[in-house]
Amino acid sequence: DAGVIQSPRHEVTEMGQEVTLRCKLISGHNSLFWYRQTMMRGLELLIYFNNNVPIDDSGMPEDRFSAKMPNASFSTLKIQPSEPRDSAVYFCASSSRMTGGQSSYGYTFGSGTRLTVV
Amino acid sequence: SQQGEEDPQALSIQEGENATMNCSYKTSINNLQWYRQNSGRGLVHLILIRSNEREKHSGRLRVTLDTSKKSSSLLITASRAADTASYFCATSEGGSEKLVFGKGTKLTVNP
Repeated sequence: DAGVIQSPRHEVTEMGQEVTLRCKLISGHNSLFWYRQTMMRGLELLIYFNNNVPIDDSGMPEDRFSAKMPNASFSTLKIQPSEPRDSAVYFCASSSRMTGGQSSYGYTFGSGTRLTVV
Repeated sequence: SQQGEEDPQALSIQEGENATMNCSYKTSINNLQWYRQNSGRGLVHLILIRSNEREKHSGRLRVTLDTSKKSSSLLITASRAADTASYFCATSEGGSEKLVFGKGTKLTVNP
């Protein structure tokens, strides 16, 4: 298995443009998490899905951010319009959820997308 | 919001020495996990300790958990230059599998 795959690795865009980040989960994992990492705020959970259903999107900063999971293995995070303060590294991670909601095996993270909005 | 807080923020040691990092958290947890992040890379899961466990080992890693003090420690024995990375603790609470991460300890192991 190739692990969690994110694309692109780097994205530089101009303010106001739409940005789409992509994530492919590990086969067999049924939970998907989007995190944002900055020096100031550390790792922040934006949204997570279980069995393709959004469970908690309380971390999504604004309506400019949206996430979808059209099937069990793929997710997108879209920012429209983008702003310079959205510059960060965006990670997705997947896990296998056990009965009772806990994951016993930890998350598997992708390598991240470094987004720069100028 | 940050649940776990690592201490120290940065640690520099010589190869062969032991490295100890601490994590404190605020609420009741299901489990506590430690992750490593090399510069420019994603996080890698190291070890998970459940709330009813007190100590766990994995290779050169030893994790302890004290739920009465709401704290955990990660010990890396006989450190190597390749252990240079940032180390994060993360907690899940209630019935949620959502993990909340601390800001990490940056470990530098000098050859």
